[in-house]
Amino acid sequence: GAGVSQSPRYKVAKRGQDVALRCDPISGHVSLFWYQQALGQGPEFLTYFQNEAQLDKSGLPSDRFFAERPEGSVSTLKIQRTQQEDSAVYLCASSLVGAVAGIGNEQFFGPGTRLTVL
Amino acid sequence: GESVGLHLPTLSVQEGDNSIINCAYSNSASDYFIWYKQESGKGPQFIIDIRSNMDKRQGQRVTVLLNKTVKHLSLQIAATQPGDSAVYFCAERDTGGFKTIFGAGTRLFVKA
Repeated sequence: GAGVSQSPRYKVAKRGQDVALRCDPISGHVSLFWYQQALGQGPEFLTYFQNEAQLDKSGLPSDRFFAERPEGSVSTLKIQRTQQEDSAVYLCASSLVGAVAGIGNEQFFGPGTRLTVL
Repeated sequence: GESVGLHLPTLSVQEGDNSIINCAYSNSASDYFIWYKQESGKGPQFIIDIRSNMDKRQGQRVTVLLNKTVKHLSLQIAATQPGDSAVYFCAERDTGGFKTIFGAGTRLFVKA
């Protein structure tokens, strides 16, 4: 079966450009998460959706970052006026049920999009 | 693909030996802990999890130990194989349940 997919896998942007990163979660998964992973570090939480509702966006670094999931399936992370410090791998994850810290409600990660801002 | 964990602590073991990867977590309110494996160019892959009301949980070739007194978590891999070579992250969640906090990671290198 298909896992979480992300596109593009690699994106190079000039400083100041806007970018849009796409996540296709596993079909039927209620929860969707975005993370940012800098080189050599663990992923850092950005935002969380339960279906189409964005329940937590406390990890978004600035108001240049915006995420949406309008129909409760595919999600897009948009970064406006990209800066060099935005260079990182952006990971998407989905889980079957609403986010409950329980055994078995694991998050399945996509391969990530590596963003390089020149 | 890109390389994960260029400057991470590294554990080097011989194929067939057991591996132990340690992690200190920070939040006393965390009640759920997960170990992930990440290979270059891929997202983290779930290995095993444990709730705070347990101190040990076993999976296939892996065991997670939790010591809440000193806020320490460990992952034991039995009969380590070359395919186990990757970066391993511990992660924690608080009682709110959805914000996962990842640790710094350890690179495991298995010598054939």
